[in-house]
Amino acid sequence: SAVISQKPSRDICQRGTSLTIQCQVDSQVTMMFWYRQQPGQSLTLIATANQGSEATYESGFVIDKFPISRPNLTFSTLTVSNMSPEDSSIYLCSVAENTGELFFGEGSRLTVL
Amino acid sequence: QKEVEQNSGPLSVPEGAIASLNCTYSDRGSQSFFWYRQYSGKSPELIMFIYSNGDKEDGRFTAQLNKASQYVSLLIRDSQPSDSATYLCAVKGGRSQGNLIFGKGTKLSVKP
Repeated sequence: SAVISQKPSRDICQRGTSLTIQCQVDSQVTMMFWYRQQPGQSLTLIATANQGSEATYESGFVIDKFPISRPNLTFSTLTVSNMSPEDSSIYLCSVAENTGELFFGEGSRLTVL
Repeated sequence: QKEVEQNSGPLSVPEGAIASLNCTYSDRGSQSFFWYRQYSGKSPELIMFIYSNGDKEDGRFTAQLNKASQYVSLLIRDSQPSDSATYLCAVKGGRSQGNLIFGKGTKLSVKP
């Protein structure tokens, strides 16, 4: 499976600021996915990062809050904009194999004060 | 709204015993099912996937699927303290290849 690297691994942010999380994959992948895992909650898909087109967002997530870039087939960024304490979460980058298995990066743990 | 339900636990078993983790899902049309293990402070790692009714074995792990009952389980034989983690059940959601619907997970504790 692909090796997926994320940074930062963790950060503490002030309310109202924005933070960009980077995801690097060691091989070319068609689609990359961003998930969120809030404390005590299940993982939830935020959006699919498509290379060459806009990201596809799931219900409840909007581009203004979570802008995503996908400049090439190995890299993507997720920005969490205008953060509030409710955005404190682990954000996970993932890629899918052709057989449907999903693999995750190490995650980025955000704490918003 | 598609849902995946798991008992949050904690499930405590002695070392060497069989741990049984259960999961139910709401969408009868679901076709692909996954079990992930998540150690505290780490990201989920895939243990097994199963697509067909019945059992699928991989080493000490056995996944069981019963589509009629909308039920998936994971058995861990000869449980080890290193198996102590949260186990996440996931079901393929929408058309997107990466859209998995996750349960909240069952915390397993294996006591030496």
